[in-house]
Amino acid sequence: GAVVSQHPSWVICKSGTSVKIECRSLDFQATTMFWYRQFPKQSLMLMATSNEGSKATYEQGVEKDKFLINHASLTLSTLTVTSAHPEDSSFYICSASQTTDTQYFGPGTRLTVL
Amino acid sequence: QKEVEQNSGPLSVPEGAIASLNCTYSDRGSQSFFWYRQYSGKSPELIMFIYSNGDKEDGRFTAQLNKASQYVSLLIRDSQPSDSATYLCAVNGDTGFQKLVFGTGTRLLVSP
Repeated sequence: GAVVSQHPSWVICKSGTSVKIECRSLDFQATTMFWYRQFPKQSLMLMATSNEGSKATYEQGVEKDKFLINHASLTLSTLTVTSAHPEDSSFYICSASQTTDTQYFGPGTRLTVL
Repeated sequence: QKEVEQNSGPLSVPEGAIASLNCTYSDRGSQSFFWYRQYSGKSPELIMFIYSNGDKEDGRFTAQLNKASQYVSLLIRDSQPSDSATYLCAVNGDTGFQKLVFGTGTRLLVSP
């Protein structure tokens, strides 16, 4: 149980384009989903927290207009990186939790912006 | 600011030994404590969680919590080379809110 999927697992795009990453909880309903970013050899950095049907809460320093988060259902959240630039290249990981604070992570999406 | 501290390592242990990973946290009100394992290039994988003072065992893993000392540890018995990874300690940041605060992780190397 507690399986979280992400799609795509990796993506390469040109600078200036937008990229959408999907996060799905496959066998449970996720009341809360989280989006993290991780640069090489660094720890996880929480970007935002989203609850189904409401606006995401962004961490300080994360541009909400650049990283659009939609949590349309209890099993799906999406992160859209708008007008991506090379400095946005990173490993993006989502996690999901049900009613407790245990977070289950997706496999991650590696984004490379050329 | 709520903090979770871990020694970055690497912690090197021989195969078959006990690996001891430690974590301290600053928020005395924290209620939930988690250990995640992260292999290089992969996402974190939940190993254990602990809520109460004392020990909690699951197979080769034992989590230990001491709220008075604000200290949580993870023991790995009979360490295997496949245990070589970065171990992340995470602490519930706010009661009733599910955000976790992560440490920077301890890199464990188990040599055959």
